[in-house]
Amino acid sequence: DQQVKQNSPSLSVQEGRISILNCDYTNSMFDYFLWYKKYPAEGPTFLISISSIKDKNEDGRFTVFLNKSAKHLSLHIVPSQPGDSAVYFCAASSFLGGSEKLVFGKGTKLTVNP
Amino acid sequence: DTAVSQTPKYLVTQMGNDKSIKCEQNLGHDTMYWYKQDSKKFLKIMFSYNNKELIINETVPNRFSPKSPDKAHLNLHINSLELGDSAVYFCASSQAGTGTYNEQFFGPGTRLTVL
Repeated sequence: DQQVKQNSPSLSVQEGRISILNCDYTNSMFDYFLWYKKYPAEGPTFLISISSIKDKNEDGRFTVFLNKSAKHLSLHIVPSQPGDSAVYFCAASSFLGGSEKLVFGKGTKLTVNP
Repeated sequence: DTAVSQTPKYLVTQMGNDKSIKCEQNLGHDTMYWYKQDSKKFLKIMFSYNNKELIINETVPNRFSPKSPDKAHLNLHINSLELGDSAVYFCASSQAGTGTYNEQFFGPGTRLTVL
């Protein structure tokens, strides 16, 4: 009963090119969708979010697109840099009594080659 | 200055033992969380506390008991450890939800190995 799915376990791109990471979800009740980035032996760090009422959010080189009818979101990184190499987790958020319950996908390992 | 810290970073113990993992945040946040990342790399929420009150309690065995002595600390105590408890445990904190997304800040994780 995976509510958030990242079907590509890994992605390899050349430096300077676009990286596109994909995510699908099943529950229409999520309030926000997020991307977290994780380096080995560290905790995840927040990258970018998008409200369920928006279809695009941009922050520098990172853009997240949300297609509610398809229950799909994607993260675009342009241009990709070697320092972007990490595991990227897609997550969906719902509010509950002052807390936010995050449901994570399994992650996609991005490798950006110099 | 570490925002969310966890101790210990590594924990190796025998089946049946009782152990605790400590978490502290210096961000002034109201809400703290525990997550478990299992061998399949799934990161799943276990508990959340808001102002020392338990809010989220996912389907977690009773052997796991969170304790929040104050807003800055959320410790995880595990009784009668089992092999399946081996995982990386992450603590996180955030401001209380107000209808907009509040970023969760994660600690570095505690790798628990049960032998």
